[in-house]
Amino acid sequence: DVKVTQSSRYLVKRTGEKVFLECVQDMDHENMFWYRQDPGLGLRLIYFSYDVKMKEKGDIPEGYSVSREKKERFSLILESASTNQTSMYLCASSTMRGFGELFFGEGSRLTVL
Amino acid sequence: DAKTTQPPSMDCAEGRAANLPCNHSTISGNEYVYWYRQIHSQGPQYIIHGLKNNETNEMASLIITEDRKSSTLILPHATLRDTAVYYCIVRVAMTGNTPLVFGKGTRLSVIA
Repeated sequence: DVKVTQSSRYLVKRTGEKVFLECVQDMDHENMFWYRQDPGLGLRLIYFSYDVKMKEKGDIPEGYSVSREKKERFSLILESASTNQTSMYLCASSTMRGFGELFFGEGSRLTVL
Repeated sequence: DAKTTQPPSMDCAEGRAANLPCNHSTISGNEYVYWYRQIHSQGPQYIIHGLKNNETNEMASLIITEDRKSSTLILPHATLRDTAVYYCIVRVAMTGNTPLVFGKGTRLSVIA
């Protein structure tokens, strides 16, 4: 089975801190994605990557950056965390041709105080 | 990608079939219908997808109308563990780099 592992299930950070959310997949998938999920707003795409060192902005990239130095790892970076970035963050991966068949991690719930 | 419309919530008795509708009246010829579900506190899980023929797998069946303007996801014998939010998504598969766009879905409650 495909496994997408997110490094932290729960994090609490302070305003202004730099935050790293890590995601690793073990099925050699080309595509990786970061979504955030908020009540009433559903899942919104932050960034995605379809190859190592490649990245594309999603619908809400402001305040975030990403890094993909290795195929299996996709990191989401909050350069200076703010309270409006308190959310559930979900990482997903898919094969190159399987853009519709995503495998998701369990999510990282970030609270920014 | 075409937009979808789903009822915000539905109930289903345990052991009965759950039929979740989705309207996608503006779907175009090369767009697929995908279904995902999200159980509380977990990431979404892929269920099934189809283009125009009905599809079945170990989790569910997907019935797409002949004009492709609507579809129904069927869970044949719903259990309490099927309580989740179900998302119907339409997109062009296999081409381009356009990721999935999730709407608000249908919250299915399976009742004992």
